[in-house]
Amino acid sequence: GAGVSQTPSNKVTEKGKYVELRCDPISGHTALYWYRQSLGQGPEFLIYFQGTGAADDSGLPNDRFFAVRPEGSVSTLKIQRTERGDSAVYLCASSLRQPPYNEQFFGPGTRLTVL
Amino acid sequence: ILNVEQSPQSLHVQEGDSTNFTCSFPSSNFYALHWYRWETAKSPEALFVMTLNGDEKKKGRISATLNTKEGYSYLYIKGSQPEDSATYLCASATQGGKLIFGQGTELSVKP
Repeated sequence: GAGVSQTPSNKVTEKGKYVELRCDPISGHTALYWYRQSLGQGPEFLIYFQGTGAADDSGLPNDRFFAVRPEGSVSTLKIQRTERGDSAVYLCASSLRQPPYNEQFFGPGTRLTVL
Repeated sequence: ILNVEQSPQSLHVQEGDSTNFTCSFPSSNFYALHWYRWETAKSPEALFVMTLNGDEKKKGRISATLNTKEGYSYLYIKGSQPEDSATYLCASATQGGKLIFGQGTELSVKP
């Protein structure tokens, strides 16, 4: 079956611009997670959706970052006024079971480069 | 705040060698320990989700053990092959389900 997909696979933007990153989870998965991996580090949690609502957004670094999941399926991560430090691989994962024992299925990521 | 550590950071082995990596995590408030394999330009692939102290899991030539009392997990690869080359990530799950990842172990297997 289809896995988690993310678009675009690569995004190059200039400092100060706005970007949107899209995640299509596995059909039927109610839980959706965003992580980002900076160079030399492990993935870092950003936000978790259960259905349409953000159950935990404690990992969003500041108010330039925002994520939505209006119909409980596709999610969009939005970054305003991008900075060079936002450059990273942004990963999305979805899960069928309730936490904390749920296996998370990851997409291939979006590599964001801010020049 | 959880702190998950992995060692070594990188490992270079010859085809046929067996190898192992370590993941250490806080033993208090433990829920689950995840292992992933991440090949370049692909999605991280789930290997194991482990919850019970003393648990051992196996998938082909790869196996893992878990010690929740002392806060560590080992991942073993028997007879490494070039296709095993990847970054291996471990992550501890919080009650809310978010994963706290280590920095990964990058494995390179030379033919």
